[in-house]
Amino acid sequence: DTAVSQTPKYLVTQMGNDKSIKCEQNLGHDTMYWYKQDSKKFLKIMFSYNNKELIINETVPNRFSPKSPDKAHLNLHINSLELGDSAVYFCASSHLASNEQFFGPGTRLTVL
Amino acid sequence: GEDVEQSLFLSVREGDSSVINCTYTDSSSTYLYWYKQEPGAGLQLLTYIFSNMDMKQDQRLTVLLNKKDKHLSLRIADTQTGDSAIYFCAERERGSTLGRLYFGRGTQLTVWP
Repeated sequence: DTAVSQTPKYLVTQMGNDKSIKCEQNLGHDTMYWYKQDSKKFLKIMFSYNNKELIINETVPNRFSPKSPDKAHLNLHINSLELGDSAVYFCASSHLASNEQFFGPGTRLTVL
Repeated sequence: GEDVEQSLFLSVREGDSSVINCTYTDSSSTYLYWYKQEPGAGLQLLTYIFSNMDMKQDQRLTVLLNKKDKHLSLRIADTQTGDSAIYFCAERERGSTLGRLYFGRGTQLTVWP
């Protein structure tokens, strides 16, 4: 299946832990994104990578570090997790100049 | 600014038309989008409209854009229970080659049988 996939789908962890979320796309896109959707469904961009280079870095705590090993992958590592990090994290991809972004199914992170 | 506003809830009866409204503040937006999010799922792009257009129709979906009032609407004809979802309006800022989108908070559409 051609798609944007994320793992894991659910992640429950304790405060202070470090965790990673993985994203992969097999659509041949050159740009990938991470979005955060809070409990009120507000969706906001966090990062974007184009050809493995960081091009968007919104005001996000530096505990969040994206890593793009290749154009098809964009992982999100979070250090010292806090309660406020609980949210659904969506990965997306597109061709940079395209009008269409394709979203993954989301990872629901719960920090206890 | 990139404020995108939507009403939070809309309920309609099956077979009726649904109209979901959105207002935005960035007059230089180039593209405006409608995404659908079903429970537990990611966002699915439904349609988008370029800012120099007034209307776009795609089967049961009609998008109307009023640039003067910075108002975007999505009309779903013959609404079905399967249309129940959250609908997000989003804008892409002019000159943004970075693909940055700004989303509204979403409108929860509930369709009653």
